[in-house]
Amino acid sequence: EDKVVQSPLSLVVHEGDTVTLNCSYEVTNFRSLLWYKQEKKAPTFLFMLTSSGIEKKSGRLSSILDKKELFSILNITATQTGDSAVYLCAGIHGSSNTGKLIFGQGTTLQVKP
Amino acid sequence: GAVVSQHPSRVICKSGTSVKIECRSLDFQATTMFWYRQFPKQSLMLMATSNEGSKATYEQGVEKDKFLINHASLTLSTLTVTSAHPEDSSFYICSARARGTGANVLTFGAGSRLTVL
Repeated sequence: EDKVVQSPLSLVVHEGDTVTLNCSYEVTNFRSLLWYKQEKKAPTFLFMLTSSGIEKKSGRLSSILDKKELFSILNITATQTGDSAVYLCAGIHGSSNTGKLIFGQGTTLQVKP
Repeated sequence: GAVVSQHPSRVICKSGTSVKIECRSLDFQATTMFWYRQFPKQSLMLMATSNEGSKATYEQGVEKDKFLINHASLTLSTLTVTSAHPEDSSFYICSARARGTGANVLTFGAGSRLTVL
């Protein structure tokens, strides 16, 4: 059975801290892994990772994929209160024609001032 | 960028009634739409995949007669929760993929919170 597991489930930090969110996956015909940020409503896209070992960066956020060990991490440096959200990772299953996403449970991040 | 409009954003209904949720792609043609359900503090669970002009493909455990999905045009998909019960109360989100784009290019709607009394 396909599954995506995230850890920790919740995290409380103070502004300026650095956090690492983990995502492990077992997805049939795995194609890519996606990270999303969800702040009450629709998830917003952060990263798509397809190749191992290639770090993707966007401002204070970065992410990398390890296809041998089947996991990905999302790093956030110098956290701000606006980073408080649920972070979801999802594996893309099957062919590109289906694009079925298998989501993890999410990590709830709370950044305190 | 691509925008998906989903409404209603909130709906409260009585047990036994049916509720329709609409998902529209505003500036692109969505060949495929996905419907997810999200319980409090849990992740998005895929309910079904709908392709324009064909029957939806439901995930295991999702009752197709209860959750009717129609994708009649390239810009509109609807989810109808029939004979809703309190356990159907949840957050429902659609996502759409534009024609000719890869699996990763999904745009999410803002979600619809259903409360069944």
